[in-house]
Amino acid sequence: TQLLEQSPQFLSIQEGENLTVYCNSSSVFSSLQWYRQEPGEGPVLLVTVVTGGEVKKLKRLTFQFGDARKDSSLHITAAQPGDTGLYLCAAPSNSGYALNFGKGTSLLVTP
Amino acid sequence: DTAVSQTPKYLVTQMGNDKSIKCEQNLGHDTMYWYKQDSKKFLKIMFSYNNKELIINETVPNRFSPKSPDKAHLNLHINSLELGDSAVYFCASSQVSGGGGNTIYFGEGSWLTVV
Repeated sequence: TQLLEQSPQFLSIQEGENLTVYCNSSSVFSSLQWYRQEPGEGPVLLVTVVTGGEVKKLKRLTFQFGDARKDSSLHITAAQPGDTGLYLCAAPSNSGYALNFGKGTSLLVTP
Repeated sequence: DTAVSQTPKYLVTQMGNDKSIKCEQNLGHDTMYWYKQDSKKFLKIMFSYNNKELIINETVPNRFSPKSPDKAHLNLHINSLELGDSAVYFCASSQVSGGGGNTIYFGEGSWLTVV
């Protein structure tokens, strides 16, 4: 099983601050996804990146896939309380039949 | 209209009991999954089914038995429950198997507590 290491594990910031979370692996992936999970809910897909060096933007969220397709970052600009949640990166398993997830970054944005 | 629905949402039961969690998806997807999320929020694949056929069993104890009566349903039966089975169990589905950037849609989770 490929390991997806996410950092930081926990992040508590105030509204308006910027932040970056990271997802790293020693494996090369054909694609990588970011999901957000809110309390009491299941994870919901935010973005899929497939090309090395690719950058995707979703409003205040910017996702980047590393050039070597081994790592990814998620940058949030001017965080809002609604951004609070667990951010999970995920990549195809070796078999290709499921997604493996990182352990997540738990983000708390306070007003 | 819920895409992936699972019941019950909460389940508290004693050690040694047998329990089932039901899951249905109305997205017309071919692949369904069971994931387990532990107390540290780590989400781990348990089973994957494609068109009612088991394609992944991630070394889950044989006390856990998935059943897929049709491709829209994937139920999870757990025998002889143990304290360590306490977790949130997520059912999920995708159009095709989870690799290659396909979106996986998750249910809301079933919170199992074994006492």
